Amino acid sequence: QKEVEQDPGPLSVPEGAIVSLNCTYSNSAFQYFMWYRQYSRKGPELLMYTYSSGNKEDGRFTAQVDKSSKYISLFIRDSQPSDSATYLCAMILGYGGSQGNLIFGKGTKLSVKP
Amino acid sequence: DAGITQSPRHKVTETGTPVTLRCHQTENHRYMYWYRQDPGHGLRLIHYSYGVKDTDKGEVSDGYSVSRSKTEDFLLTLESATSSQTSVYFCAISESPSGLAFDETQYFGPGTRLLVL
Repeated sequence: QKEVEQDPGPLSVPEGAIVSLNCTYSNSAFQYFMWYRQYSRKGPELLMYTYSSGNKEDGRFTAQVDKSSKYISLFIRDSQPSDSATYLCAMILGYGGSQGNLIFGKGTKLSVKP
Repeated sequence: DAGITQSPRHKVTETGTPVTLRCHQTENHRYMYWYRQDPGHGLRLIHYSYGVKDTDKGEVSDGYSVSRSKTEDFLLTLESATSSQTSVYFCAISESPSGLAFDETQYFGPGTRLLVL
């Protein structure tokens, strides 16, 4: 079983829709959880990160972590065509040394239609 | 892709030939990483560096070596390229381990597309 599972999609939604992107993981020791956005033929860029369980909001984006279920989510409200990209979840065990190395999901490709 | 360049951006080579990819940063960040990205596998860490001459292996290090003789440059070498090393290679940098301290982030370069025939 892969440590981090993410549905690759593709996911297609109309402009203005609420988008839900999800990842599950198997290692309960993961502490930090991140979402990256990657536009076509570009490098990933960090969108949000959270520590432990709970929600974190930044504008139209909300990241949610449920450690009891080993499940993380990214919600995008009022989605825009400019949100069309591949979204990667990532997580790390801790801080420092090899524990700080990112483990990525495979990414979900999102398309927001005007 | 602030302050990070990768060269070459595209390369086609033949099986068995050596290949070196270069990552150059102008941010003076301490940590540098090499990833490969493949369909069906996502991003996987090859090697990383936590300082000049300080490097360590990542998840998929077999067949790759790295060197860092200056803060700004991190080289990835495929000693004898194989078709399984056809991929998109990304370099990343951060000031702190994984870029989590003080809201710092791990910045990624634009990538190098390598095709091994």
